[in-house]
Amino acid sequence: AQSVTQLGSHVSVSEGALVLLRCNYSSSVPPYLFWYVQYPNQGLQLLLKYTTGATLVKGINGFEAEFKKSETSFHLTKPSAHMSDAAEYFCAVRYTGTASKLTFGTGTRLQVTL
Amino acid sequence: DTGVSQNPRHKITKRGQNVTFRCDPISEHNRLYWYRQTLGQGPEFLTYFQNEAQLEKSRLLSDRFSAERPKGSFSTLEIQRTEQGDSAMYLCASSPPGQGALSGANVLTFGAGSRLTVL
Repeated sequence: AQSVTQLGSHVSVSEGALVLLRCNYSSSVPPYLFWYVQYPNQGLQLLLKYTTGATLVKGINGFEAEFKKSETSFHLTKPSAHMSDAAEYFCAVRYTGTASKLTFGTGTRLQVTL
Repeated sequence: DTGVSQNPRHKITKRGQNVTFRCDPISEHNRLYWYRQTLGQGPEFLTYFQNEAQLEKSRLLSDRFSAERPKGSFSTLEIQRTEQGDSAMYLCASSPPGQGALSGANVLTFGAGSRLTVL
């Protein structure tokens, strides 16, 4: 079955430290890949996406992600965490032949401490 | 462009009652999606419309659930005879027309959601 896995339901980093949120997908054909962020009591906001072209994708708020086909991964990174980055992050994939339907991972809650 | 609007934002109901949620997508978006999100989980796909046609339904959408998009604009999601297991956040999203890797159709814009609590 096609799926997306986010390793680590909770990640805690210090302010200013590197943020690394992991995402792996299962598919023999590379899907389209997305990261969304969800703040409390709000909907999901698109951070970045990979559909084609350069495998290193830059998004909003200083986040970036790299598509690695050999590792079937699309990990999200940010060089320096800020308190405002505390939120839930979801990796999502769109597999070919599924219209625009997204399949989401279970999410990673990012905590940023002083 | 006022984004995707969902109403009501919160609904508390007793088990066995019917509830209806409304979603108003971005005006030029022809595709509309419903997702359900429970605590600690990612959103799960429920159903998808292209214009007024309901093109796909998840197995999660039991016969107590019905979604409509009668004029290809707003959509409603009705849950009949609610159960406690229906308690969740119901998210609506929309996307514009288009195809291909570079198309804006690949990006879903989500509303803030409608939170349902069934007592």
